[in-house]
Amino acid sequence: DIQMTQSPSSLSASVGDRVTITCRASQGIRHDLGWYQQKPGQAPKRLIYAASSLQSGVPSRFSGSGSGTEFTLTISSLQPEDFATYYCLQHNTYPLTFGQGTRVEIK
Amino acid sequence: QEQLVESGGGVVQPGRSLRLSCAASGFTFSSYAMHWVRQAPGKGLEWVAVISYDGDTKYYADSVKGRFTISRDYSKRTLYLQMNSLRVEDTAVFYCARGVGPSPPLIDYWGQGTPVTVSS
Repeated sequence: DIQMTQSPSSLSASVGDRVTITCRASQGIRHDLGWYQQKPGQAPKRLIYAASSLQSGVPSRFSGSGSGTEFTLTISSLQPEDFATYYCLQHNTYPLTFGQGTRVEIK
Repeated sequence: QEQLVESGGGVVQPGRSLRLSCAASGFTFSSYAMHWVRQAPGKGLEWVAVISYDGDTKYYADSVKGRFTISRDYSKRTLYLQMNSLRVEDTAVFYCARGVGPSPPLIDYWGQGTPVTVSS
């Protein structure tokens, strides 16, 4: 199975900060990666697909980059509604595997 | 717009069975693969199973293989997850989700989830 190692597991940031979250795959997965946001009590919502393509309707402050084994999700200017948990998901090979999640909290 | 509504969750004793359903609307159900994903209380997301758009191909996580069965009914636009021999560690919110793109398909839309509690 492909292991997805996500870091950090949590972070504290202020409104307006630039935030970067990283996912590393245990083997190359090309661009077969998505990023999701989950707020408490809600279903996840897709932000990014194909590693760097922005989902329709998602604010442009979210961006994704990377290929192969290293990927990043960047929030250029953190907004109050962005405080949530973020997950990466690889869909290169079955079983699909998620990162452990990154909880973004208010400083 | 796309909508996925899960049902069938509840409290069940270890060793018993439960069937989850997911009603799809707002898109051409027969054109998309469908997934089940679960989330144990306070934990991260775990992929469970997928069924191809035509129902011919299914994959499962090792943790549920041989116990869970994914299926779909095109006339009812409904996805199912038959869960047998349930264990305490199967306690989770179960989400159905749509898959898009070439295999393995990435998840785009999610339902709101249905909770399953396995307890004696």
